[in-house]
Amino acid sequence: NAGVMQNPRHLVRRRGQEARLRCSPMKGHSHVYWYRQLPEEGLKFMVYLQKENIIDESGMPKERFSAEFPKEGPSILRIQQVVRGDSAAYFCASSSQPAGNTIYFGEGSWLTVV
Amino acid sequence: RKEVEQDPGPFNVPEGATVAFNCTYSNSASQSFFWYRQDCRKEPKLLMSVYSSGNEDGRFTAQLNRASQYISLLIRDSKLSDSATYLCVVNKNTDKLIFGTGTRLQVFP
Repeated sequence: NAGVMQNPRHLVRRRGQEARLRCSPMKGHSHVYWYRQLPEEGLKFMVYLQKENIIDESGMPKERFSAEFPKEGPSILRIQQVVRGDSAAYFCASSSQPAGNTIYFGEGSWLTVV
Repeated sequence: RKEVEQDPGPFNVPEGATVAFNCTYSNSASQSFFWYRQDCRKEPKLLMSVYSSGNEDGRFTAQLNRASQYISLLIRDSKLSDSATYLCVVNKNTDKLIFGTGTRLQVFP
């Protein structure tokens, strides 16, 4: 039973390019969460999705960031026109029930903007 | 004020030592509490949930004081492999976990 799978693990983008981070939840999990961890900081909630629906995007920056979780395929976090401040670790997590119960994190995607 | 506050450390302790981490949270509506462990450049992993009555898992003991909005983690007989960052996490029964910035522990031989 594979865990939460994220790819790419490491991504380098130049300022102004787009970054796409993918997350496949654990088998049987329909709840997906994205968190961002800036250097030397704690994880910050970004967005919570269920299949085809965004449930809570209160932690998403208003511009350039978007997320989706289509009926088929992985969840995708998309960052347009990346800036240096977007350099961070992006963790995806999944659960079988809404958070409050145990969630399982993927190994993260490290984005570096040069 | 941060929702979850932790002493960043680092705590440098010898093998076999007992070490305690503290955490305070600001929102009295918080319902669920956890300690996670995060190794360098790795994902956070659940160490243990924290219950009002206090709970123990091997060498690890967690305590919750709702009146003081205070959570603690005690590690007895520290091992080299305990070296990591320990994250205090709270949940208000919503869809998001609130993470502290973590306390770094370094156990030396």
